[in-house]
Amino acid sequence: QVQLQESGPGLVKPSETLSLTCTVSGGSISNYYWSWIRQPPGKGLEWIAYIYNSGSTNYNPSLKSRVTISVDTSKNQFSLKLSSVTAADTAVYYCARPRAPFAFNIWGQGAMVTVSA
Amino acid sequence: DIQMTQSPSSLSASVGDRVTITCRASQRISTYLNWYQQKPGKAPNLLIYTASSLQSGVPSRFSGSGSGTDFTLTISSLQREDFATYYCQQSYSTPYTFGQGTKLEIK
Repeated sequence: QVQLQESGPGLVKPSETLSLTCTVSGGSISNYYWSWIRQPPGKGLEWIAYIYNSGSTNYNPSLKSRVTISVDTSKNQFSLKLSSVTAADTAVYYCARPRAPFAFNIWGQGAMVTVSA
Repeated sequence: DIQMTQSPSSLSASVGDRVTITCRASQRISTYLNWYQQKPGKAPNLLIYTASSLQSGVPSRFSGSGSGTDFTLTISSLQREDFATYYCQQSYSTPYTFGQGTKLEIK
């Protein structure tokens, strides 16, 4: 079955760019929607963005000016970049794939990213 | 953005109890409502999608209902493994938004 695995630095300095990659195994990345969702420590879930087939993207307006999501079909990976991070961006970042209609049924294990000098 | 409000925020119950969690949307979302269970240190697990459809592999003691703005998740007979935090999520329009969570604890 399809499995997702996040990877990237666990510590990012304030004002720098957070970069995470989600590797998809057990299936093709093509022709599916892929999302990033985050969860600050002890808090709830926030949807960040989705991408479909490298061309269609949708961002949460609260983060839109700082977020980029992209797909690398040759590596079966998709990525998240979040610029100008602050401590408020400290969270567990999950990659996820939804079933229709955007119910997230496949999740990565999550990557904890701390923003600190 | 569509705001999702869950009640209660926390709940104490015993094994075997019937439990209901409520989720209210700030505008009508038809049945574009999903429920998740999350245990500490784990990713959320989809339980119910489109308000009342049971995700494959989820025990039948979980059920969902509602449409429009008001939704419920019911656990018919609590098992020990059900003690967790539950979230609703609307998939009617972006940005997709989640409720603040309901923590279900052992009484």
